[in-house]
This record gives sequence, structure tokens and C-alpha cells, in this order.
Amino acid sequence: EDQVTQSPEALRLQEGESSSLNCSYTVSGLRGLFWYRQDPGKGPEFLFTLYSAGEEKEKERLKATLTKKESFLHITAPKPEDSATYLCAVGILTGGGNKLTFGTGTQLKVEL
Amino acid sequence: GAGVSQSPSNKVTEKGKDVELRCDPISGHTALYWYRQRLGQGLEFLIYFQGNSAPDKSGLPSDRFSAERTGESVSTLTIQRTQQEDSAVYLCASSPLTSTDTQYFGPGTRLTVL
Repeated sequence: EDQVTQSPEALRLQEGESSSLNCSYTVSGLRGLFWYRQDPGKGPEFLFTLYSAGEEKEKERLKATLTKKESFLHITAPKPEDSATYLCAVGILTGGGNKLTFGTGTQLKVEL
Repeated sequence: GAGVSQSPSNKVTEKGKDVELRCDPISGHTALYWYRQRLGQGLEFLIYFQGNSAPDKSGLPSDRFSAERTGESVSTLTIQRTQQEDSAVYLCASSPLTSTDTQYFGPGTRLTVL
């Protein structure tokens, strides 16, 4: 069965305190590892897609990496506006589409 | 440009009533997905539409759930005889043909069944 597990469930950081979020997965036929950001009361906002082990992508203070079993979202010198829930998902082929299986997310709070 | 829109943003209904949720995808996006997000749980895939192909309904939890899409435009998700366990946020996402992997989500409809 396809599974995505995110840790920690919640993380509280001081502004400027770098850290990493973990996403471990088991899936047959991986078609992409996705990171989304979700603010309260809003839909997920796309951040990154990674396709193969060793791949890395960066956007502002965020950097996503991928191995064969897990992905990390590194947050460097976070700011309060980075506070959100970060969701990880794996893509699974479905008749030409890409069905996503999500983890339950890491709720990040960045304090001044 | 305009993103994915969904309506209503909130819906409160009584157990046993039918509800209809609407999704307007990004113009030109051929693929459309519905997901459900229950409190404390990850998003669950419900159904997928791609152009005029038969939809992938493998995620629908029961025969009370159905969805339609006309061509590459609006989609409606219908829940008949709602139950309290149907309470959740229902999210719609769309993808362009050029990149069927990246899904762009709408703001969701929060459904509360009393």
C-alpha cells in the first residue's frame, strides 16, 4: 500500500533558526514527489516537484531534496511568514493522470 | 491570471440532504481532480477527469458520491444523503496538458453535516 509519513507533526522555530522537515514514502511506480504549502483556510500552494534520487530544488529560503525513500524540505533562516502547514505528496500514475497521496503535514510556526 | 475557484466556500447541511459542490478549473487545464481533507488527516484522492476520457473514480468512498465534468470546464461533486462523516474540506485541483504532474488547487469548500 502506498504510504507517506511526515515528521515532525509540528515544529516551532525562532526566526533565523534553520531546520528540516522529513517526508518518508513507500510507493510502487513513483511519479514525482511534491511539496505544497497550506495556509489556514486555503488550498495547498505548489512549491516543488522532484522526480529522481539526488535531485534538489530551491526557492527563496526553501530547498527540497530527494532520496529513494525520503525527501527533506530544508528551511534556512526562516521568517514568521514561513509559518504554514507543509504537505508532502507522492504521485501515482492513473490512466495518464497523476493521483497524489498526501502525508498529514508538518505544521510550522516561526516566532520572532 | 485566475486560479482554480470553488463554490460555495462554506456549506452547512443537515444529515440526509444532498449537496452539490462546484469547481472552475484554470482556463485551458485539461485535467481536474477532487480531493477530500478531513480534520487531522491527509488529503484523499476522490476522482480524476482528463478531457473526454472516462473518469478515474477509484477514490470515491461510496455510491453516494458522484461527479461530473462537461468537456474541459466546470465540474460538480454531488454527495447524496449526506452523513456526518462527510464533513470535510473538499478541494479541487487542475493541471495543464503540458505538465500533467503539477496540480494547482482551489481554496476548497468546507462542508459541515449536522
